[in-house]
Amino acid sequence: DAGITQSPRYKITETGRQVTLMCHQTWSHSYMFWYRQDLGHGLRLIYYSAAADITDKGEVPDGYVVSRSKTENFPLTLESATRSQTSVYFCASSEGQLIEAFFGQGTRLTVV
Amino acid sequence: GQQVMQIPQYQHVQEGEDFTTYCNSSTTLSNIQWYKQRPGGHPVFLIQLVKSGEVKKQKRLTFQFGEAKKNSSLHITATQTTDVGTYFCAGPTSGTYKYIFGTGTRLKVLA
Repeated sequence: DAGITQSPRYKITETGRQVTLMCHQTWSHSYMFWYRQDLGHGLRLIYYSAAADITDKGEVPDGYVVSRSKTENFPLTLESATRSQTSVYFCASSEGQLIEAFFGQGTRLTVV
Repeated sequence: GQQVMQIPQYQHVQEGEDFTTYCNSSTTLSNIQWYKQRPGGHPVFLIQLVKSGEVKKQKRLTFQFGEAKKNSSLHITATQTTDVGTYFCAGPTSGTYKYIFGTGTRLKVLA
């Protein structure tokens, strides 16, 4: 089915482990984004990408790594998970600059 | 850095009452977007405003962009239970396509 999908939907991991959240979109949108959502903070931008092999830091990039070798995929890696990274993570994509973004269903990550 | 604030943080209304949420940016915005997130769901795009003083309507929802392009509002007339959710505004950081989201206003509608 066309759209933007995130996997896994739920993940529990231990402190210090590396974990990768996947994001895949079928629209061939150039722009992709990763946000985290925490109570009281709304949605905060972690990383974004304008095209394959082009990524840039957002508001809260520390502790995260992204890559974009293919237009349709934008994985987010937590190199060494910490409890403060417990959150709901949303991936989004957009066809162009300054137009609407489409969000995935989100991944609820718990770090214990 | 750029900040986007929304007020109120929470709002409970009786079904049929009106509701307004306000969005204020610390910097001038080239445009502003509004999203709605239902409980347990993901943000869904509602509208984008671009021009100073612009007003757009979607059925019972009225969106306004301030003259100085630093604030915006969303007004819902005669709320319904289907309006429940969190409403976010988002604006691009100056000169980029990096959108900063407001903190959101969570709306509860009591039947």
